[in-house]
Formats: sequence, C-alpha cells, structure tokens
Amino acid sequence: QKEVEQNSGPLSVPEGAIASLNCTYSDRGSQSFFWYRQYSGKSPELIMFIYSNGDKEDGRFTAQLNKASQYVSLLIRDSQPSDSATYLCAVEVYGQNFVFGPGTRLSVLP
Amino acid sequence: NAGVTQTPKFQVLKTGQSMTLQCAQDMNHNSMYWYRQDPGMGLRLIYYSASEGTTDKGEVPNGYNVSRLNKREFSLRLESAAPSQTSVYFCASSQMERSGNTIYFGEGSWLTVV
Repeated sequence: QKEVEQNSGPLSVPEGAIASLNCTYSDRGSQSFFWYRQYSGKSPELIMFIYSNGDKEDGRFTAQLNKASQYVSLLIRDSQPSDSATYLCAVEVYGQNFVFGPGTRLSVLP
Repeated sequence: NAGVTQTPKFQVLKTGQSMTLQCAQDMNHNSMYWYRQDPGMGLRLIYYSASEGTTDKGEVPNGYNVSRLNKREFSLRLESAAPSQTSVYFCASSQMERSGNTIYFGEGSWLTVV
C-alpha cells in the first residue's frame, strides 16, 4: 500500500511569516512530487512539482525534496490570507498512479 | 480552453437509484481518473484509464463502474447508490509521460445519497 502522509493541521501562521508544509511517502519508487492547493468547495490546483533532490523555487513558493529521507516539503514565504487553503501533497510512481496525502489545512492570520 | 469538464455539479439520489457522472477533457491526455474526496480522507482513486480502451481499479472501486468512451470521455456509474457514496467526485486527466506529468482536475461533482 503506497502511502503519503501529511499533518492535517490546521497550521496557523501570521501574515508575512513563512509557512512550512511537510509530506512523507512510503514508496521508494516514487518519481515525481506535486503540491496542490485546494480552496474550500473548489478543485485542487497545481502549485508546484519537483523531480530532483534539492530545492525548487517559484515566486513565494519553494519545494524541497529529499528522496533518501522520503520527504518533500513546501515553504510559502510572506504568507498572505489568500494562501489560506488545504495543501495536498501527491506522488507519482511512473507507469502507475498519483497518490495523494490527506492534506494540511493552512490558516494565515491577518 | 475548458480543460476537464464534469457533470452534473450537484446531485441528490435516493438509496438504490443509479446515475452516471460524465467527464470530458480537451487536452488530448491519454490518462483519465475518477477520485472521491471525503473529509479527512483526502483524494482516493476509484478507477483510472491509462489509455483509450483500458480501465483499471483504484483504491475504492466497489459500487462503481466506468466507461472510457473515447480518448476525451470517461464516465463513472453508480448502479445502486448507497449513503456511503455521498462524497465529492473529481474527474482528472494527465499525459502519463516519463517526465512533465501533471494531473488536472475538473470542478467536482457533489453527490448526496439519502
């Protein structure tokens, strides 16, 4: 059983702070890693993907991947109230499927 | 560009009734998926289709059937709805290549079985 785990939260951070979201996965065959944002009542939308160990930055978002530790994280710098949402971690094993974590609820307090 | 379109958006069914959720994508993707999302459970895969003409069970297939009608369309059928199938259903598609894969979601279908 392939598993993706996340803290369910809620994670509360003040506006302007850095929000750190974490995800671990069980299948060492996982090759691609994704972060999705989901607002209440809406569908998940892609924020970032990462394939290689290390950091990948896109605007205020940084994804970090450590395949040895089977760990992927998402940092959100200068958090805004509009970042308040549930963040889903997903992993893909080539030729198989995407497996999603349960999501972490983030609340950015004005 | 519509992306992934699913219908209906909302539906209320009585226990034992049947219905079909429709999904179509215009991105020429090979792979299509049906997920359900329940509070605290995340997205769980019901069925997927890696290519036209093929379908496979996911994590929670019981009580559902699917049809990959053509490359664009992938439908989900509930033959005899049960209250446990009350959920939000998302159709999705992806290209399933070695790199550059991304899964795109439809807007969701809210189903209540009473």
